[in-house]
Amino acid sequence: EDQVTQSPEALRLQEGESSSLNCSYTVSGLRGLFWYRQDPGKGPEFLFTLYSAGEEKEKERLKATLTKKESFLHITAPKPEDSATYLCAVQAGTTDSWGKLQFGAGTQVVVTP
Amino acid sequence: NAGVTQTPKFQVLKTGQSMTLQCAQDMNHNSMYWYRQDPGMGLRLIYYSASEGTTDKGEVPNGYNVSRLNKREFSLRLESAAPSQTSVYFCASSSRVGHEKLFFGSGTQLSVL
Repeated sequence: EDQVTQSPEALRLQEGESSSLNCSYTVSGLRGLFWYRQDPGKGPEFLFTLYSAGEEKEKERLKATLTKKESFLHITAPKPEDSATYLCAVQAGTTDSWGKLQFGAGTQVVVTP
Repeated sequence: NAGVTQTPKFQVLKTGQSMTLQCAQDMNHNSMYWYRQDPGMGLRLIYYSASEGTTDKGEVPNGYNVSRLNKREFSLRLESAAPSQTSVYFCASSSRVGHEKLFFGSGTQLSVL
């Protein structure tokens, strides 16, 4: 059974204090790993897709990396506007898994000035 | 651009009542999805529609029905609401199944008493 575990559950950072979020997964042949950002009271917003081990994607202060067992979301010199819940999701490689993302429970990040 | 629009934003039901959650997208996407989000459990797929005229079960379909009314609209119906269906419901769309860059609506907060 596909499984996604995110850690830590919550993270409190000072502005400028870099850190990393972890997403570990078990899936039958990874097709893609996705990162989303969710603000309170809103729907998730797409950030990145990673397809193969060793791949990296960057957007502003965020950088996502992928290995065969886990993905990391690095937040460099965060600002208060980076406060959000970050969700990780995986898609298995079988065609009957298309359309079905398995989400983790998320990491809630709070960045204080 | 409105993106994905969900109605209503909030709803309170009594056990046994029925209701329909509406969702519409204006991005000409082929695929649409319904998720529920519960604290500590992450997003779970209820049903999805790969294309107009098709629907498939997700991880937690029991107690729900869906209708893909046309390419733009995908509704979720609760025939006889139960307290276990208290949740936040999100509709999402993507260009096609297999391309799970999802665009989410802002959610419906449903309470079943």
